[in-house]
Amino acid sequence: QQQVKQSPQSLIVQKGGISIINCAYENTAFDYFPWYQQFPGKGPALLIAIRPDVSEKKEGRFTISFNKSAKQFSLHIMDSQPGDSATYFCAAFRGSNYKLTFGKGTLLTVNP
Amino acid sequence: DVKVTQSSRYLVKRTGEKVFLECVQDMDHENMFWYRQDPGLGLRLIYFSYDVKMKEKGDIPEGYSVSREKKERFSLILESASTNQTSMYLCASSPGLSYGYTFGSGTRLTVV
Repeated sequence: QQQVKQSPQSLIVQKGGISIINCAYENTAFDYFPWYQQFPGKGPALLIAIRPDVSEKKEGRFTISFNKSAKQFSLHIMDSQPGDSATYFCAAFRGSNYKLTFGKGTLLTVNP
Repeated sequence: DVKVTQSSRYLVKRTGEKVFLECVQDMDHENMFWYRQDPGLGLRLIYFSYDVKMKEKGDIPEGYSVSREKKERFSLILESASTNQTSMYLCASSPGLSYGYTFGSGTRLTVV
């Protein structure tokens, strides 16, 4: 049972474009929805996170949009740069059991 | 700079061997986790621990065990390695009820 579904599996964007990655969840008991960024040869690192009572959160060029009624959230990367090329994971966190449940990841390639 | 250190970057073991993967964190975090990462499957939780000597099964514990004798160290044990355990193994830690995990750089294990 996949609790967090992520799409697309891979994404190619031109430099300066907008990258959009979507996620959907099933369980309404999650407390936070973070995104992680992973570069080759490294472990994932926390990028940005949102609470379910907030519809949008922005940090620099990265924005999470959250739709509680649809149980969907998305990551938008504005003015995408080649240095943003990485694998992105959405996740859902339940504080009652300390656990993060990850989506399957999106490989983003930003062409120069 | 806070760190999660995994003892080996690359490891090659033979089928049937007992394999130990070691993870050490220097952040005094209560929680530690072992994930495996496979292409197309994302990050899957094997085991986690929220306190010394405590352990909880994750989503795919079969064929694995763990040990946490000290707060800073969490070991993953493959009792009898099999080729389907060839994977990237990631250790992570987190403080209290936090979605902010710190990951190590991973151990790429090949079982031949």
